[in-house]
Amino acid sequence: GAGVSQTPSNKVTEKGKYVELRCDPISGHTALYWYRQSLGQGPEFLIYFQGTGAADDSGLPNDRFFAVRPEGSVSTLKIQRTERGDSAVYLCASSLQGNRELFFGEGSRLTVL
Amino acid sequence: AQRVTQPEKLLSVFKGAPVELKCNYSYSGSPELFWYVQYSRQRLQLLLRHISRESIKGFTADLNKGETSFHLKKPFAQEEDSAMYYCALLNSGYALNFGKGTSLLVTP
Repeated sequence: GAGVSQTPSNKVTEKGKYVELRCDPISGHTALYWYRQSLGQGPEFLIYFQGTGAADDSGLPNDRFFAVRPEGSVSTLKIQRTERGDSAVYLCASSLQGNRELFFGEGSRLTVL
Repeated sequence: AQRVTQPEKLLSVFKGAPVELKCNYSYSGSPELFWYVQYSRQRLQLLLRHISRESIKGFTADLNKGETSFHLKKPFAQEEDSAMYYCALLNSGYALNFGKGTSLLVTP
């Protein structure tokens, strides 16, 4: 389909391991967002890309989290030395520049044992 | 601080009854507010935004700056309205700040 695609849909890892989560936005959408949703909470902003650059990464909780979007399309969220508290659903969304409507993916559920 | 509060975690109503999902915000400036909805096994999607003043699926929401509220209303709830509803405030022009959500259950 033409929606935002996220892989993997589920990821189980052990504490201390490295994880990559991928987001493929809707074609033509220049803005891309990562959110994290913990159980019982609303989505929490992590980072925003406009094109290839991270326009705002103020939501990243610490330096274990990093995201890239090298060609202005697909984005990867990288988490180093995972901790149990990183367990959550990681949501990606995209939008047309200047458009307030975000289109979300189905999320990647990360479980850190 | 810019914040969105949804005081009800769960709201249960009978089919055909009116429904109001509460949302309060704190924001210094002119707020831009949205309601997003997530139906069972579906992705989060935009329901409506205050600037367009539209009615979607029978839902409306009015921005009340005096009460700093943006409550979502529908006069006659339907079973298919059962879902998780999130109020969101646009922060810094691009980042949405979401509330914790209200789970609406419409029973027959």
